Amino acid sequence: EVDLVESGGGLVQPGGSLRLSCAASGFTFSRKWMSWVRQVPGEGPEWVAYIKPDGSETSYVDSVKGRFTISRDNAKKSLYLQMSSLRAEDTALYYCLMDQYWGRGTLVTVSS
Amino acid sequence: DGQMTQSPSTLSASVGDRVTITCRASRNIDNYLAWYQQKPGKAPKLLIYGASTLQSGVPSRFSGSRSGTEFTLTISSLQPDDFATYYCQQYNSYFGGGTKVELK
Repeated sequence: EVDLVESGGGLVQPGGSLRLSCAASGFTFSRKWMSWVRQVPGEGPEWVAYIKPDGSETSYVDSVKGRFTISRDNAKKSLYLQMSSLRAEDTALYYCLMDQYWGRGTLVTVSS
Repeated sequence: DGQMTQSPSTLSASVGDRVTITCRASRNIDNYLAWYQQKPGKAPKLLIYGASTLQSGVPSRFSGSRSGTEFTLTISSLQPDDFATYYCQQYNSYFGGGTKVELK
């Protein structure tokens, strides 16, 4: 059974950094495209970034380009999102996705 | 660039109505599309994946189809529990803007 477990969220000041992790199990991680999605309560979900199975290709929504970096470690079956220069508008619940499978999310709050 | 155009943004309907929501992809995405239902304060719930495969446990009144780059979610007979917001998503990419199904 597919399981995706995010961690690393928390409270951070504007301009700060945070690294999210996603531990994957129940599928062949090294063969799957992975992505991060976020959602602000009361708003629709927003795709943030994806990464190719071998890590050779990534893509980002315009609002995070240059600030966020998606990466993966196939040996550890883990997905990461390095977030820097964080802004108040980055406050959201962040989910790890594989195709139609979602993790339970980790909350990121950017506030002074 | 993978963006999804979803319509309508709001839909007013009555219990028992047949409801259709459409998403158009900006390029060919084959069947790599999912449909979600979301209610306030809850995480999105997967309804359809692979454009037309019903997720286990989802009522059969929900169905999905594809014609080229146009995808459709149909609710054959709207039930009280179906009043919610619906989103399409290309796998590992953009969501549609959402369709709020409200009571007429």
